[in-house]
Amino acid sequence: AQKVTQAQTEISVVEKEDVTLDCVYETRDTTYYLFWYKQPPSGELVFLIRRNSFDEQNEISGRYSWNFQKSTSSFNFTITASQVVDSAVYFCALSGRGSGNTGKLIFGQGTTLQVKP
Amino acid sequence: SQTIHQWPATLVQPVGSPLSLECTVEGTSNPNLYWYRQAAGRGLQLLFYSVGIGQISSEVPQNLSASRPQDRQFILSSKKLLLSDSGFYLCAWSPDRADTQYFGPGTRLTVL
Repeated sequence: AQKVTQAQTEISVVEKEDVTLDCVYETRDTTYYLFWYKQPPSGELVFLIRRNSFDEQNEISGRYSWNFQKSTSSFNFTITASQVVDSAVYFCALSGRGSGNTGKLIFGQGTTLQVKP
Repeated sequence: SQTIHQWPATLVQPVGSPLSLECTVEGTSNPNLYWYRQAAGRGLQLLFYSVGIGQISSEVPQNLSASRPQDRQFILSSKKLLLSDSGFYLCAWSPDRADTQYFGPGTRLTVL
């Protein structure tokens, strides 16, 4: 079975602090994708990143960085120097890439990030 | 570029009434289409997906149904709404199976 766990329900930080959102996953697929989405108060899910299971290189995009560790089945997301506009619910998701997979995204429960001025 | 539309944006319906939510995608052809529901407490659950016109797969048995009458149109329907159908409904598209899914703005449904 596939499962994504985001243990942090809510995180509150002060602007300019760094914050890491944790994501742990379970899957029996040998190949899969991992994703992070942002859901601002408007409700729309905004795609942030996709990582292929065979690519464990960490990625940095501006103030965002992602740490993928297959050995611990984790795909953590760090925001450096957080800003008020980063306040949102963040979802980690998993999609199997095997021949029998439908593309179904398995979502974690989300982490609500509040950045205070 | 591709865009995805959903309407209506919000909807308040009485229990027992019918439902029709529409999703359309522009700028691509033969997309994979998905309907998700986000209930209070924020978890997202896949309801239906479609790989082509008239091809619908259901993930969760319920009183909802989906149809794909045109290549880039995906409709979510119900004959009689239940209170438990309240939630935020999101449509998504992807270029291919297991590829990145891009979400629409969503429809917030309240069943009273």
